[in-house]
Amino acid sequence: AQSVTQLGSHVSVSEGALVLLRCNYSSSVPPYLFWYVQYPNQGLQLLLKYTTGATLVKGINGFEAEFKKSETSFHLTKPSAHMSDAAEYFCAVTPHTGGFKTIFGAGTRLFVKA
Amino acid sequence: EAQVTQNPRYLITVTGKKLTVTCSQNMNHEYMSWYRQDPGLGLRQIYYSMNVEVTDKGDVPEGYKVSRKEKRNFPLILESPSPNQTSLYFCASSLRLRGEKLFFGSGTQLSVL
Repeated sequence: AQSVTQLGSHVSVSEGALVLLRCNYSSSVPPYLFWYVQYPNQGLQLLLKYTTGATLVKGINGFEAEFKKSETSFHLTKPSAHMSDAAEYFCAVTPHTGGFKTIFGAGTRLFVKA
Repeated sequence: EAQVTQNPRYLITVTGKKLTVTCSQNMNHEYMSWYRQDPGLGLRQIYYSMNVEVTDKGDVPEGYKVSRKEKRNFPLILESPSPNQTSLYFCASSLRLRGEKLFFGSGTQLSVL
């Protein structure tokens, strides 16, 4: 069964520092890949997605992610963290064929220190 | 405004008392889905629907029912709630089955005593 692994349930960075949140998926065929963000007491919002084409995907709020097929990874980065980036981040996958489930990782909570 | 509306936002109930959480979307989306969110487990899919009258189980369907009689509505039914169903529930929809972003509701925090 397909799975999504997010390394690190909590990540803490200083304001202005690089943000790196890791995501690995398990399928041999690359799925559709997504990153969502959840602010306190809110639903999830899409940050970015990869379907096909260019492997470096730019999203909202200065975030980007790179799809690496050889590493089955889709890590999320932002060059300079802002206090407003503090939230929980979820990586998710949907297969290109077969079932219609969207599978989410366990989430990574990002803390930003002043 | 495009949105997914869930009600209620908070719900406290007792074991065995049937309840329904409503979900409605105004974007004419084909695909709708229910998730539960628990600490350390992320979001787990309960049920999903590809279109009217077409539903299928997700990863954690036990104890839940759904129906899709109209395209815009996808209610989640707990016939006999138990304490292990205490969780934060999200409804979501997307235009198509694959490759499209999910639009999420604001969530329903359910406590079963």
